[in-house]
Amino acid sequence: DAKTTQPPSMDCAEGRAANLPCNHSTISGNEYVYWYRQIHSQGPQYIIHGLKNNETNEMASLIITEDRKSSTLILPHATLRDTAVYYCIVRVGVFGNEKLTFGTGTRLTIIP
Amino acid sequence: KAGVTQTPRYLIKTRGQQVTLSCSPISGHRSVSWYQQTPGQGLQFLFEYFSETQRNKGNFPGRFSGRQFSNSRSEMNVSTLELGDSALYLCASSSTGGLYNEQFFGPGTRLTVL
Repeated sequence: DAKTTQPPSMDCAEGRAANLPCNHSTISGNEYVYWYRQIHSQGPQYIIHGLKNNETNEMASLIITEDRKSSTLILPHATLRDTAVYYCIVRVGVFGNEKLTFGTGTRLTIIP
Repeated sequence: KAGVTQTPRYLIKTRGQQVTLSCSPISGHRSVSWYQQTPGQGLQFLFEYFSETQRNKGNFPGRFSGRQFSNSRSEMNVSTLELGDSALYLCASSSTGGLYNEQFFGPGTRLTVL
């Protein structure tokens, strides 16, 4: 199963862009990359997902390298409310035999 | 629209007992997934139910089981509890089957096994 590797923690100044890296070097061609975040004592919240093209939504951008071995989640203008643990996840398997493999997460702290 | 609800929020059990946790998905959602979160292992996928059928399953022993009712509400059962089963159990719902779409998580049930 494809596994993900993330730095355990990062700091970012409020108002700056937060760039969170994720390594998934064993990912297969049909496995999607998802990002969720978890604010203390709450359930995880979906952010974005992608396969091989870069993706953007109202919350973030996802940049996937051409070889798909790594990706970066970008929060363009970080606020204090973005302080959370961010999980990079790979969806493995085929329909009916899928599972989500979570990384260890990056604890992002936004500094005022 | 109400979010995902889980009951109870906190639970204390002793080794050897069994426990049943409940999850009510967002109205209209037919897929419910369950996850275990511990400090040591992080977030791990347990299984997913869609239209009352288990669709996907993680690598957990048979002591962990679940079911889904016709109204999409789901229950998870853990039999013969072990100390290592102490965890936050999260459920998530999504509008379609499979794990492709955005999942909406509930607040979790914190289970403590003594």
